Formats: sequence, C-alpha cells, structure tokens
Amino acid sequence: AQKVTQAQTEISVVEKEDVTLDCVYETRDTTYYLFWYKQPPSGELVFLIRRNSFDEQNEISGRYSWNFQKSTSSFNFTITASQVVDSAVYFCALSEAGMSGEYGNKLVFGAGTILRVKS
Amino acid sequence: DTEVTQTPKHLVMGMTNKKSLKCEQHMGHRAMYWYKQKAKKPPELMFVYSYEKLSINESVPSRFSPECPNSSLLNLHLHALQPEDSALYLCASSHKGEKLFFGSGTQLSVL
Repeated sequence: AQKVTQAQTEISVVEKEDVTLDCVYETRDTTYYLFWYKQPPSGELVFLIRRNSFDEQNEISGRYSWNFQKSTSSFNFTITASQVVDSAVYFCALSEAGMSGEYGNKLVFGAGTILRVKS
Repeated sequence: DTEVTQTPKHLVMGMTNKKSLKCEQHMGHRAMYWYKQKAKKPPELMFVYSYEKLSINESVPSRFSPECPNSSLLNLHLHALQPEDSALYLCASSHKGEKLFFGSGTQLSVL
C-alpha cells in the first residue's frame, strides 16, 4: 500500500532563511506520481508540483526547488530566502499509476508540515 | 477560469438536519472529488466521480450522499450527521490523472 511520511510536524524559520521540507514515500508500483501542495490559512490547497517516477531531474521554480531521489524514496522541497507569505501547511502526496488516469487520481497525502516564517 | 467554487463557505447544522454542499468548476474536467479534512490532519479522500459516474467510494457512511448532476457540478448531501463529522470539506477537480485543483472548502460544524 502507498504511504507518505512527512516527519517534520512544524518548522519555524526567520525570514530569508532557506528551509527544506522532507517527504519520504512508499509504493510497490514502478510508475507513480508525487505532488506538493500548499495550504495557507484560507484553506484552499494550492498545487506546487507534480513529478512522475521516471523523471528524476530536480526542478527549480523561482525560490522553490525539489529534489527527487528514487534511491532513498524521497521528494524533498526547499524554499530559498523564505518569506512570511510562505507560512502555510505543506503536503506531500503520492498517486500510484493504477489509481491515476482516465478515471481520476487517488492522492494519498502525508501528514503535512506546518511552516512558520517570522519577520 | 481555473477555479473550483464551493458553497457555502461555512455551515452549522444540527444532527437531524438535511443540508447540501455544492461545488462547481468550468475547466472541462471530468473527474471531481470530495475530500474531508479534520483540523491539523491531511485531506482524506471520500468520493471520486469520473464522467458523472461514481468511480471511488472510500467506505464513506451513507449519511454522506454524493451527486454529480452534470460535468460541472458536484454536490454532497448531508443527513443525520454526527458531531465527529465536523470538518473542512474540500472539493477538487482534475483532467484525468493530472493535478487536482481544489476549492477553498466548506467548514462544517455539526451540533
């Protein structure tokens, strides 16, 4: 069965610090998808990235970067030069290929990491 | 339009009430979802509709009854709920197995 572990319950940093959020996953499928979502206090889950299991290239988008390592089953997320607006709950999620396709996408979420960025 | 709109934003209901949550999207997505999120917990999948047909029911109690009247609308009918059903109910949509777009949710309190 699929499982996502986010061991960091809460992280507090001071503005402009870099911060890395850890995500470790378990799956028996060779084809799967990994996601990161941000949930600000307003409640809406905001999509950040989707990565398939065959693409191990790291990705950078502005101040955000992601490090995908199949060897350690990890998909870590780094925010560079954090800002107060980055304060939110961040969820890592996994979808196996068998549950992702024509009939939708069954995402399993990790427990989430609360990020607090102080000015 | 890349929005998923949910109404109402807040709902308080008694255990004998019947109410409905509504969700709408105009992105042409044919997969729509209901998730339940308790405070300080991750979202948990309840139902998935694909092409207006129920494709996944995660063993949700029958006091929650989903309905997909057309490709843009998704409802969740509530009846005889319990206080432990109080939570944030999130609707989402996607194009097949791609990323999910979420609404802001309905914060439900059952008294």
